[in-house]
Amino acid sequence: DAKTTQPPSMDCAEGRAANLPCNHSTISGNEYVYWYRQIHSQGPQYIIHGLKNNETNEMASLIITEDRKSSTLILPHATLRDTAVYYCIVGDSSYKLIFGSGTRLLVRP
Amino acid sequence: AAGVIQSPRHLIKEKRETATLKCYPIPRHDTVYWYQQGPGQDPQFLISFYEKMQSDKGSIPDRFSAQQFSDYHSELNMSSLELGDSALYFCASSSRTSGEANTGELFFGEGSRLTVL
Repeated sequence: DAKTTQPPSMDCAEGRAANLPCNHSTISGNEYVYWYRQIHSQGPQYIIHGLKNNETNEMASLIITEDRKSSTLILPHATLRDTAVYYCIVGDSSYKLIFGSGTRLLVRP
Repeated sequence: AAGVIQSPRHLIKEKRETATLKCYPIPRHDTVYWYQQGPGQDPQFLISFYEKMQSDKGSIPDRFSAQQFSDYHSELNMSSLELGDSALYFCASSSRTSGEANTGELFFGEGSRLTVL
């Protein structure tokens, strides 16, 4: 039973911001939102996570709505190397991350 | 920086044979996770170990077993292999003791590709 819903695919132009949405309407109060990505058959790579505040690191920004039922991962200046499957995962810790279907992001030249 | 090392990177086996995959976590990481990713599928959590004890169990078949050794490396043993076991097997590690696991950051290896003929 999926805890998150993501669009199956998206695309954006190189150099533009990529905004990847995720719905997690059944999220519990102690559950975090994690984002990982997987570049073609490589091991998944951690991007960012948050509980209720917006977060930013060198890779991306995470915007979580006030009711915590949805979030958006923002890649501010997408490059061709950002083409990957992006996974939004909800859990109370990273001890057992359950991957859903993810969004396949294609960055166009 | 040292990463998670998995071996072998590629393995070809016949049906009903046995295979063993090895995972060497990042130094000082105490938690190891195993994931299976079939062709065109998303990674599926199999099992995890913390301080050499099984921590969580996912959709790991009864034909599979795993353990974490005193040096924290882990092995995934798969017996009576079936065609459907053909997949990429990822190992990940984190440090629960230092609270790293609570940061949400699991470090994944490059995977071991198992092909069952």
